[in-house]
Amino acid sequence: AQSVTQLGSHVSVSEGALVLLRCNYSSSVPPYLFWYVQYPNQGLQLLLKYTSAATLVKGINGFEAEFKKSETSFHLTKPSAHMSDAAEYFCAVSERGGADGLTFGKGTHLIIQP
Amino acid sequence: DTGVSQDPRHKITKRGQNVTFRCDPISEHNRLYWYRQTLGQGPEFLTYFQNEAQLEKSRLLSDRFSAERPKGSFSTLEIQRTEQGDSAMYLCASSLGSQRGNTIYFGEGSWLTVV
Repeated sequence: AQSVTQLGSHVSVSEGALVLLRCNYSSSVPPYLFWYVQYPNQGLQLLLKYTSAATLVKGINGFEAEFKKSETSFHLTKPSAHMSDAAEYFCAVSERGGADGLTFGKGTHLIIQP
Repeated sequence: DTGVSQDPRHKITKRGQNVTFRCDPISEHNRLYWYRQTLGQGPEFLTYFQNEAQLEKSRLLSDRFSAERPKGSFSTLEIQRTEQGDSAMYLCASSLGSQRGNTIYFGEGSWLTVV
């Protein structure tokens, strides 16, 4: 069975500082991994996805994530935080295929301090 | 690209009433999904359709819940005899094809409050 653990329900960083959101997964097969962002009262927007090609994946809004099989991790980073990055971030894994649904972590709320 | 559209965006209902949500997927997307999200949690899978066929239902989907996609285009999710525990955001999503890693596009959700 697949599962996702997001370390830290809340992460606070200063504007301009490095953003690091942690995600560890469990999967019995090579996984496909996703990061989604959710702004208040809105649906989810795809930031980036790993589909067994390059281990370093670049997404929208300056975010990127690195797949590390040995650590079963897929941490999300951004070199310099903007106020507009404040949102909820979800890591998700697809084991049977994106078409069969995703298993999400509980989310990390990113707070940006001015 | 009109995206995934959901209606209504917000619904307040009294306990025991029935509610129905509609989802219009991205045109030509043959897979359609329903998820439920409660406060402070990630979305949880409820069910999905391949065209008009409902292929999987989560154990979260009690017999009070029913979903349809009659012509393989829009879908409805009906909740009968609503309970306070049904209060959540119901998210619809769609994707093209069945390849692993296909991107799933989400709508903005339908908020349900049961009072």
